[in-house]
Amino acid sequence: DSGVTQTPKHLITATGQRVTLRCSPRSGDLSVYWYQQSLDQGLQFLIQYYNGEERAKGNILERFSAQQFPDLHSELNLSSLELGDSALYFCASSVGQGRDQPQHFGDGTRLSIL
Amino acid sequence: GIQVEQSPPDLILQEGANSTLRCNFSDSVNNLQWFHQNPWGQLINLFYIPSGTKQNGRLSATTVATERYSLLYISSSQTTDSGVYFCAVNRREGDNQGGKLIFGQGTELSVKP
Repeated sequence: DSGVTQTPKHLITATGQRVTLRCSPRSGDLSVYWYQQSLDQGLQFLIQYYNGEERAKGNILERFSAQQFPDLHSELNLSSLELGDSALYFCASSVGQGRDQPQHFGDGTRLSIL
Repeated sequence: GIQVEQSPPDLILQEGANSTLRCNFSDSVNNLQWFHQNPWGQLINLFYIPSGTKQNGRLSATTVATERYSLLYISSSQTTDSGVYFCAVNRREGDNQGGKLIFGQGTELSVKP
């Protein structure tokens, strides 16, 4: 058990809909990261928050947004969903800003778009 | 940006065999991690190893940072070792001053009983 909690584990929805994925980091970790794993793109970094502030951004679509709350949990919002958004979405956390320290991954949320 | 290449892409072993997985990266890194993704999709953190050698049971890893590669050794493989092994690196450069991990494409390991 990594200590990172992601909910829900599975999500099935339709094109055009909006969903919210939730992540609780390990106790004491200030950084939260979001990654997307799809069959054609592999594992790709989306965005990082550190203590409530956006710290780094990857190739995250404009239809996607995230935030980190004062209690350090994070949410990833995906809107106007398309078939290609079907993927496994991982959250990870680390103690500091991610330099020179490991990231610990949750079990992921499997999103299926019908 | 930095490139991460893993080899071999696929590997089939008989239970009890040993194997070596390789990860090459194109530039110096601040962070290197090895992960095992099991058949249920969970990403298990195996090693945090930006340099040096570490061992954990039947698994060990070595990173030679000056030559830009890392090796993961699996000894006496078991069927539960099956899955995909990923190497991931972080490099601080330009706009990337955070902890973004860049993943290789993985090595898919199948251990047969």
